[in-house]
Amino acid sequence: DAGVIQSPRHEVTEMGQEVTLRCKPISGHDYLFWYRQTMMRGLELLIYFNNNVPIDDSGMPEDRFSAKMPNASFSTLKIQPSEPRDSAVYFCASSLGGYHQVAKETQYFGPGTRLLVL
Amino acid sequence: TQLLEQSPQFLSIQEGENLTVYCNSSSVFSSLQWYRQEPGEGPVLLVTVVTGGEVKKLKRLTFQFGDARKDSSLHITAAQPGDTGLYLCAGRMSQGAQKLVFGQGTRLTINP
Repeated sequence: DAGVIQSPRHEVTEMGQEVTLRCKPISGHDYLFWYRQTMMRGLELLIYFNNNVPIDDSGMPEDRFSAKMPNASFSTLKIQPSEPRDSAVYFCASSLGGYHQVAKETQYFGPGTRLLVL
Repeated sequence: TQLLEQSPQFLSIQEGENLTVYCNSSSVFSSLQWYRQEPGEGPVLLVTVVTGGEVKKLKRLTFQFGDARKDSSLHITAAQPGDTGLYLCAGRMSQGAQKLVFGQGTRLTINP
C-alpha cells in the first residue's frame, strides 16, 4: 500500500501568491482530513470530508483557505492569497471510518507539505 | 486554550531511564490515542484506549486511560535512542466522532 501521498513536500512562496497543496488518500478510505501543524498551535484540524463531501470546516482559518475533493482519490487545499503566518506543515490523513470501530477509525497521515511564505 | 494539555512539553533523558508523559483534560473523551511523529514525517498511531482505567502495553511502552476518561499517560521503561520523537495524544469527544482533538505534544530526546 502506497499510503497517503502529498505533494509538494516543500513549498516556498512569496506573500500574496496562491498555494495549492495536493493529497491522494489511501484507496478505499471514505474519510479525508486536512491538518496544519505549527510550533505555537500544535496539530489542528482544518477540514474533513466523508465520501468527497465536506463535513466540518470549522477549523479553516479564514476565507483565504479553501479545500475541495472532486473525487475519492484526490483533494486539494488552496490558500489565496498566502501570508507569512500561513507558514506551517500541512498534513493530509485518511481513514476507513466506522462507528466506534477502532481499527476503521484509525487515521493514516501523509508525510506533510512544509510551506514557507516569505 | 488547549482541550488536551500534555506535559512535559520537552523531555531530554539518558538511555536506560524511565519516563512518563501526561495528557490531561477537563473534558471526557470516548477514546484517546497516542501517536509518535518523527522529523519530516506524519504522526503514526501507537495505541487507542477506549475504556476508563484501561492499560495497554506495547513492548516497553505502557499506556493508561484514566478512570474518568479525562486523562491518559504514557510510560516508557528503559528508554532507548530509537524512542526519540514527538509524542501526541489525541481524543474523540464522542463515540463515532471522526474528529480528533490533539494535544500540543511532548518532544522526547533520548541521549545515548
